[in-house]
Amino acid sequence: GAVVSQHPSRVICKSGTSVKIECRSLDFQATTMFWYRQFPKQSLMLMATSNEGSKATYEQGVEKDKFLINHASLTLSTLTVTSAHPEDSSFYICSARVPIGAFFGQGTRLTVV
Amino acid sequence: DAKTTQPPSMDCAEGRAANLPCNHSTISGNEYVYWYRQIHSQGPQYIIHGLKNNETNEMASLIITEDRKSSTLILPHATLRDTAVYYCIVRVVEGAQKLVFGQGTRLTINP
Repeated sequence: GAVVSQHPSRVICKSGTSVKIECRSLDFQATTMFWYRQFPKQSLMLMATSNEGSKATYEQGVEKDKFLINHASLTLSTLTVTSAHPEDSSFYICSARVPIGAFFGQGTRLTVV
Repeated sequence: DAKTTQPPSMDCAEGRAANLPCNHSTISGNEYVYWYRQIHSQGPQYIIHGLKNNETNEMASLIITEDRKSSTLILPHATLRDTAVYYCIVRVVEGAQKLVFGQGTRLTINP
């Protein structure tokens, strides 16, 4: 089946720095990818929809200048958490749209210290 | 997309069938029922989806009531590895196509 690879799986960064998370579709082209955030014991919260070659669409309440999304190719979308703070520590998950729904990456655990 | 309601938690004995219910009373005619599961600290995994007919694949069966207002996901012979949070989602296949997750059901398979 379709595979979505997310990198890194874990990252620890210092407060104030920026972190980039990559999401790749390995054996198919994904014109649309989605980024989610998940806090402990909570459900996934959709952050934004990433469309290849155009600006991302952010959900209400998500700061587009803080969470930069780039979808420059049909197989790669990136999420950059800028000026990270401890409250940005979370599990970030990407997914790629496919005709039957979506396939998900394995997630990135971000810890900001 | 229509909202879904699931029990927050369920337990099932290993080897038994696990039946996970989902209510989606406001489902529209063009909305599909999707099931995903999330094992701890991993990304969600697609299980199955359907429109109005019952569906079966190698992982599970999906039973949708005739009025489509509810459905049941059946894991026929649950194993310990089936312990996860199971999400029932309804969405149209076309259009925005984003998956919006509810709280899901935390299924625990007991030895």
